[in-house]
Amino acid sequence: GAGVSQSPSNKVTEKGKDVELRCDPISGHTALYWYRQSLGQGLEFLIYFQGNSAPDKSGLPSDRFSAERTGGSVSTLTIQRTQQEDSAVYLCASSLARQGGGELFFGEGSRLTVL
Amino acid sequence: DQQVKQNSPSLSVQEGRISILNCDYTNSMFDYFLWYKKYPAEGPTFLISISSIKDKNEDGRFTVFLNKSAKHLSLHIVPSQPGDSAVYFCAASVTGGSEKLVFGKGTKLTVNP
Repeated sequence: GAGVSQSPSNKVTEKGKDVELRCDPISGHTALYWYRQSLGQGLEFLIYFQGNSAPDKSGLPSDRFSAERTGGSVSTLTIQRTQQEDSAVYLCASSLARQGGGELFFGEGSRLTVL
Repeated sequence: DQQVKQNSPSLSVQEGRISILNCDYTNSMFDYFLWYKKYPAEGPTFLISISSIKDKNEDGRFTVFLNKSAKHLSLHIVPSQPGDSAVYFCAASVTGGSEKLVFGKGTKLTVNP
């Protein structure tokens, strides 16, 4: 597709369950980012991939959160033992290598609701 | 510790008038600034950017001004149109760092017909 694709678009889960969120970036984009937006908040950085490696994972809130990227393309964000405070919209973005600046292209997000 | 602050959660203007959205930052290492626009149920889309070597960048109806000494930037929309109604996010980054963008909390702009 032409844009960043995320799935699922909506996910409702019970507290304590594991969830996986998927991001398919724009073809050829080497950089991939995960952000989340909680209700009434701005976009909170989670993790940044350059190729398959993650030089900056400083935003992951706890060890329940992990992410991987394979083949320099698709990325999966996994949240284990979900808590209610994990409820948010999880946004994925990709870009060409951003040395010297450049825009991120965002997907539409995955809305996670933890009951 | 919020490094990028948008102190106005909302702004309402009349169609045809100027909209001015403000953003302040605290990290003096930031050298690249962007504005993103977000409609409900959609991802943010890039609007305009400015490098710290400039103090103004213009693209059609949109102009971004940067005041480095005050650590302040603003987005001007002239003339405002109802289709501009959205949430606007200010973002900043450090070139050569991790390349991540640090976002403000956003300002919801409503342009009334």
